[in-house]
Amino acid sequence: QKEVEQNSGPLSVPEGAIASLNCTYSDRGSQSFFWYRQYSGKSPELIMSIYSNGDKEDGRFTAQLNKASQYVSLLIRDSQPSDSATYLCAVTEGTGGFKTIFGAGTRLFVKA
Amino acid sequence: DAGITQSPRHKVTETGTPVTLRCHQTENHRYMYWYRQDPGHGLRLIHYSYGVKDTDKGEVSDGYSVSRSKTEDFLLTLESATSSQTSVYFCAINPGQGGYTFGSGTRLTVV
Repeated sequence: QKEVEQNSGPLSVPEGAIASLNCTYSDRGSQSFFWYRQYSGKSPELIMSIYSNGDKEDGRFTAQLNKASQYVSLLIRDSQPSDSATYLCAVTEGTGGFKTIFGAGTRLFVKA
Repeated sequence: DAGITQSPRHKVTETGTPVTLRCHQTENHRYMYWYRQDPGHGLRLIHYSYGVKDTDKGEVSDGYSVSRSKTEDFLLTLESATSSQTSVYFCAINPGQGGYTFGSGTRLTVV
């Protein structure tokens, strides 16, 4: 059974701090990695994708991938109360989004 | 979300009744997916489609069937609803960048 594991949280950080979210996966054949943000009662929204080892930055978000250790992380710099949401890690075998496996999500609270 | 709509948004049904959820896309994408989301389990794949009349099972397909007679529509049917199928159901498309675009979801309650 292929698995994606996340700490359910909640993770609480003060406004302006760096939030660090982590995810591990079991399938070494995984090639594509995604982070989604989901506000309460809403649908998930794709915020980051990463396909190769290292860091990928987009605004205040940085995704980090380490395939040897089978983990992917998301850093949110200068956290804002509007970042309070559940963050889902997702992993897929190929690059086409085929049969993506999702983690259960980490709840993030950013305190003003 | 732009280009993908689900209906109904909310539904309450009785145990043993059939239920059909609809997903409609306007962007002509080949792949469409049905997921359910439950507390503690995250999103789990029910069925997916890779073209008209081409569908396959996901990890939690028991009790569900799907149909795709047109590119734009992907239907999920609960043949005989059970309380364990109370969940939030999301349809998704793959726009090609690798990640999904999700519909707004259907909250289904089976009483």
